[in-house]
Amino acid sequence: AQSVTQLDSQVPVFEEAPVELRCNYSSSVSVYLFWYVQYPNQGLQLLLKYLSGSTLVKGINGFEAEFNKSQTSFHLRKPSVHISDTAEYFCAVSDHYTSGSRLTFGEGTQLTVNP
Amino acid sequence: NAGVTQTPKFRVLKTGQSMTLLCAQDMNHEYMYWYRQDPGMGLRLIHYSVGEGTTAKGEVPDGYNVSRLKKQNFLLGLESAAPSQTSVYFCASSYNQGYEQYFGPGTRLTVT
Repeated sequence: AQSVTQLDSQVPVFEEAPVELRCNYSSSVSVYLFWYVQYPNQGLQLLLKYLSGSTLVKGINGFEAEFNKSQTSFHLRKPSVHISDTAEYFCAVSDHYTSGSRLTFGEGTQLTVNP
Repeated sequence: NAGVTQTPKFRVLKTGQSMTLLCAQDMNHEYMYWYRQDPGMGLRLIHYSVGEGTTAKGEVPDGYNVSRLKKQNFLLGLESAAPSQTSVYFCASSYNQGYEQYFGPGTRLTVT
């Protein structure tokens, strides 16, 4: 069975500072990895995804993530955050080789950007 | 394209009442999902469907039923609501299992 651990439940940062949201996963087979963002009172939007190929993945709104197979991690980064990046961020994993595989979500990281 | 839509957006029920949540997608996706979101618990899968006429249980199916009579619609039913079912419910759809899912705006349900 696959699982996802988001290591920080809350991350407060100041505007224009860099940020890293950490995500570790466990799975016995190859995986697809995703980061979603949820703004207050809205659904989840896909930020970026790793399916195969380059381990550095660029997404929307200036975010990027790096897939590290040896450390089973998929940390999300942004070099300079804005107030508008305040939201909850979810890491998700799927085991795409197993019939019936579905997305498994982490518990979320609340990013708060302060002026 | 509207993407994934959900109705209603808000609902208050009394314990023991029943209701149905409707999810619709216009992306011709085969796969559809119902999740509930509770503080500190992320998203938990209730039921899902791999195509018209099919349904399957997720992590937390008890107290819920679903139907997928048409490819574009996925209904979630609560036959006898309980306060433990107070939550925000999200519907999602995807082209294939394991691929990215597209989410609706959510339904906030309160059971008193």
